Amino acid sequence: LAKTTQPISMDSYEGQEVNITCSHNNIATNDYITWYQQFPSQGPRFIIQGYKTKVTNEVASLFIPADRKSSTLSLPRVSLSDTAVYYCLVGDMKVTGGGNKLTFGTGTQLKVEL
Amino acid sequence: EAGVTQFPSHSVIEKGQTVTLRCDPISGHDNLYWYRRVMGKEIKFLLHFVKESKQDESGMPNNRFLAERTGGTYSTLKVQPAELEDSGVYFCASSLGTGDEQYFGPGTRLTVT
Repeated sequence: LAKTTQPISMDSYEGQEVNITCSHNNIATNDYITWYQQFPSQGPRFIIQGYKTKVTNEVASLFIPADRKSSTLSLPRVSLSDTAVYYCLVGDMKVTGGGNKLTFGTGTQLKVEL
Repeated sequence: EAGVTQFPSHSVIEKGQTVTLRCDPISGHDNLYWYRRVMGKEIKFLLHFVKESKQDESGMPNNRFLAERTGGTYSTLKVQPAELEDSGVYFCASSLGTGDEQYFGPGTRLTVT
């Protein structure tokens, strides 16, 4: 499984765009990049997943360069409620028939202030 | 639609006692996973059920842990006997198909004293 590296913490203010970058130099050909969000006293929650280029959904965008050795989660106009831990996961998560265990790293603690 | 539920939310037991955690996945989800975070470390995979069968139990730490999913619905995770290092938060997740998005429950906080 590819190891991921992301900043331990980030601070931002309401209304700003936040970009969290994750490094995954050893990503394999079949690996997808997935981001999860976790609030205190809750389980992780899926945000977005991508394989290459750019993926956008209603809450975030995921930018993946051509070499796929890093990825950037972009949160537009954050609010106080976006304060959470964000995890970058890399793995072969589209296979069937095998264990699809998720491998969490330390995550990035995002703190949004007024 | 109800999400993944876990019971109890918090359990405090003494070293050497037995505790059973329960997870009710989202209805219709064949895949059920157990994870845990101990002592402030990273969330670690424990095992994966597909219906009532254990698909992958490579993350189970030792034979003091026993997971079951009789009937392929809810699952239980029993720790017997509990040790101090078992303290942490135990998460359950479920997905419709293997490889699909996993939905996590709120977790059970286990404290072994």
